[in-house]
Amino acid sequence: DQQVKQNSPSLSVQEGRISILNCDYTNSMFDYFLWYKKYPAEGPTFLISISSIKDKNEDGRFTVFLNKSAKHLSLHIVPSQPGDSAVYFCAACRPVYNQGGKLIFGQGTELSVKP
Amino acid sequence: NAGVTQTPKFQVLKTGQSMTLQCAQDMNHEYMSWYRQDPGMGLRLIHYSVGAGITDQGEVPNGYNVSRSTTEDFPLRLLSAAPSQTSVYFCASSNQQGVRYNEKLFFGSGTQLSVL
Repeated sequence: DQQVKQNSPSLSVQEGRISILNCDYTNSMFDYFLWYKKYPAEGPTFLISISSIKDKNEDGRFTVFLNKSAKHLSLHIVPSQPGDSAVYFCAACRPVYNQGGKLIFGQGTELSVKP
Repeated sequence: NAGVTQTPKFQVLKTGQSMTLQCAQDMNHEYMSWYRQDPGMGLRLIHYSVGAGITDQGEVPNGYNVSRSTTEDFPLRLLSAAPSQTSVYFCASSNQQGVRYNEKLFFGSGTQLSVL
């Protein structure tokens, strides 16, 4: 059973416009959510995160929104740039203390930003 | 700093062969883990370790062994490779923050494994 789902395998956006990537989860025990970005032939890199006690977190062009009642989070990139073209993974974890960052990842969404 | 280093980058095995994927980190991180990435499945946790001598299973541990003799190294062993283990493997590490481990993982660049 997929606890974290990214239902859009791909997304294409024009440079300068907004990119919105979506993620749904089923486990209400998740208390921390992250987005990772992955370029081809590289490992994922951390992008932005949000705790379940917040509903929004911003970092420059990137904003993550969390809607706990809908069990939904989204990543907004404004404005989108060609260098943002990559695969984006959302991830979630629950507070299992002293057992490490056991992240549950979604399937990923491939973002393509067209010049 | 090199960060998280994985070797080899590519490997082709025949069914039944064994091999070890190497992972080393130079950030003195307590937590290390192995993930596999498959199309349409995202990244799935295989095994993890919260320190030298301590390992535990993740979501998909079958067919894989790990050990952690030092803080720096966390090798992943395939004892008898199967075609279902064809995947891209990522090693990741993080440090401890209070009673939790930092979920902001640092990943290696991956090992692409094909089992024929």
